[in-house]
Amino acid sequence: EAQVTQNPRYLITVTGKKLTVTCSQNMNHEYMSWYRQDPGLGLRQIYYSMNVEVTDKGDVPEGYKVSRKEKRNFPLILESPSPNQTSLYFCASSGGLNEQFFGPGTRLTVL
Amino acid sequence: RKEVEQDPGPFNVPEGATVAFNCTYSNSASQSFFWYRQDCRKEPKLLMSVYSSGNEDGRFTAQLNRASQYISLLIRDSKLSDSATYLCVVGYFGNEKLTFGTGTRLTIIP
Repeated sequence: EAQVTQNPRYLITVTGKKLTVTCSQNMNHEYMSWYRQDPGLGLRQIYYSMNVEVTDKGDVPEGYKVSRKEKRNFPLILESPSPNQTSLYFCASSGGLNEQFFGPGTRLTVL
Repeated sequence: RKEVEQDPGPFNVPEGATVAFNCTYSNSASQSFFWYRQDCRKEPKLLMSVYSSGNEDGRFTAQLNRASQYISLLIRDSKLSDSATYLCVVGYFGNEKLTFGTGTRLTIIP
């Protein structure tokens, strides 16, 4: 089944404790992206990657890092999480023509 | 001004009614247009692409007006299962970056 998976689905952590949210897709898509979704603000792009070893900042990259060592994986790293990074995070991938397939989401709470 | 603007609603509509949403976008260079559907606490999923000539998929009709820079979605004979948030999305060919509206919340009432 073609899909985008994210782990963990839910995470509660404390300020400053480094964490990684994994994202994997099995559709051989070149483009992958991370979004955060907050009430009243909609989906905002954090980082995106056009291909392996090619990443770029989206609209709200501060406090986040990404890597793209393999085509299928695009992890999101929070080196020192803060409460303002509490949000719902979605990973997405696209094989062209702009249709993006989203993962199920990761609900992160930073205390 | 936001790049993509939608009326957040909520729209509370009786079952069987017709409901329409509009969305405006600010960048005249936008080339691709979509409606995504998002159920509560779930991921967004593509509902339909929007073409200049307009397009229909069952009970759903999407229209694009490039001159006025707005996109519309019409839902006929609404069902309870249509209750969701509808996201207006614009993009550019050759660049996979999409810009999302904040969504319009629709509730279909029995």
